Amino acid sequence: QKEVEQNSGPLSVPEGAIASLNCTYSDRGSQSFFWYRQYSGKSPELIMFIYSNGDKEDGRFTAQLNKASQYVSLLIRDSQPSDSATYLCAVSGGYNKLIFGAGTRLAVHP
Amino acid sequence: EAGVAQSPRYKIIEKRQSVAFWCNPISGHATLYWYQQILGQGPKLLIQFQNNGVVDDSQLPKDRFSAERLKGVDSTLKIQPAKLEDSAVYLCASSSGLESPQYNEQFFGPGTRLTVL
Repeated sequence: QKEVEQNSGPLSVPEGAIASLNCTYSDRGSQSFFWYRQYSGKSPELIMFIYSNGDKEDGRFTAQLNKASQYVSLLIRDSQPSDSATYLCAVSGGYNKLIFGAGTRLAVHP
Repeated sequence: EAGVAQSPRYKIIEKRQSVAFWCNPISGHATLYWYQQILGQGPKLLIQFQNNGVVDDSQLPKDRFSAERLKGVDSTLKIQPAKLEDSAVYLCASSSGLESPQYNEQFFGPGTRLTVL
């Protein structure tokens, strides 16, 4: 059974700080990795995807991938209260199928 | 571009009753997904269609759940009979279905919140 593990949180950070969200996966053959944001009562929306080892930056967001360690992370710089949400890590499972982790709840306090 | 549409948004039923959900994907999207998201958990794939064919239904409880996408566009998901543990948000998502080994963004609908009493 392919698994994606995330710390459920909540992760609490002050406004302006860096939030670091982590995810590990069990299938060494996984190729693509996704971070979705889900506000309470809303549906998930894609923030970033990454498929090469290293860092990928998009505005305040940086995704980091280490396939040898089967580890992917999301950094949010200059965290804002509007970033408070659940962040879902998803891993491709072939045929465009995604396997989601349970999500990490992030709370950014003023 | 219109997003993924789902209805109803909310449904309350008693156990052993039946219920059906409807999804209309983004125009032109070949791949359609139904997910179940239980409170506090991530979305779990129930079934994936490519056009009107099933790609993956390995986690669909086939004794009570069924889904169809007859014309390769709209889809319905049915539960009959419902159990208490079926209380969840049912999310529909679609993607272009283009061959991409690395990336195929899934766009989610607003979901249907089902409560089974």
